[in-house]
Amino acid sequence: QSVLTQPPSVSAAPGQKVTISCSGSSFNIGNNYVSWYQQLPGTAPKLLISDNNKRPSGIPDRFSASKSGTSATLGITGLQTGDEADYYCGTWDTSLSAGVFGGGTKLTVL
Amino acid sequence: EVQLVQPGTEVKKPGESLKISCRGSGYSFTVYWIGWVRQMPGRGLEWMGIIYPGDSDTRYSPSFQGQVTISVDKSISTAYLQWSNLKASDTAIYYCATGYNIKTFDYWGQGTLVTVSS
Repeated sequence: QSVLTQPPSVSAAPGQKVTISCSGSSFNIGNNYVSWYQQLPGTAPKLLISDNNKRPSGIPDRFSASKSGTSATLGITGLQTGDEADYYCGTWDTSLSAGVFGGGTKLTVL
Repeated sequence: EVQLVQPGTEVKKPGESLKISCRGSGYSFTVYWIGWVRQMPGRGLEWMGIIYPGDSDTRYSPSFQGQVTISVDKSISTAYLQWSNLKASDTAIYYCATGYNIKTFDYWGQGTLVTVSS
């Protein structure tokens, strides 16, 4: 059981938009920055978004994120088959004094 | 270019000890936190712990406290994850990852597959 809750899977057609939610509490998302990671099949995770909504160099602006209260959302527009991956949210949990991840969401581009 | 280099695979028997490495290059090793993340077969990411090479300040997830040891040798820009008594349930891919602050992993290694089997 992960501290952060994500839907197990989402799907959408190529070219469409999808959102992935990440729900937590005041101990984690409510008082800390949220990051998002993309894990393509058979590869290591990669940072997609940091500090709630900042894209590292090289990440296309089709990827965006936001945070409100104790929840965060990742959005992907103009879906491509190459976006099929597992997506994880992550943050710090002040009650655990440790980092935490969501359970991950598998994106299928139909 | 930031790189974190990990060995590809390790195969051990239950009860054995193991120390896996993560060598950083392309950045100032001592001022970036470096952490470890477990991914069991077919499962999600689990945050294990993190260390600051500059002063060896180490934090563990409660789930992993006492189960593993994280250390660093800054003279060779290498972090370690260590077990003293492996179990079959330790079979997983272990990623090292680094970040300027303790809360975000900016760069990831390719992972070490640890297989524990009799």
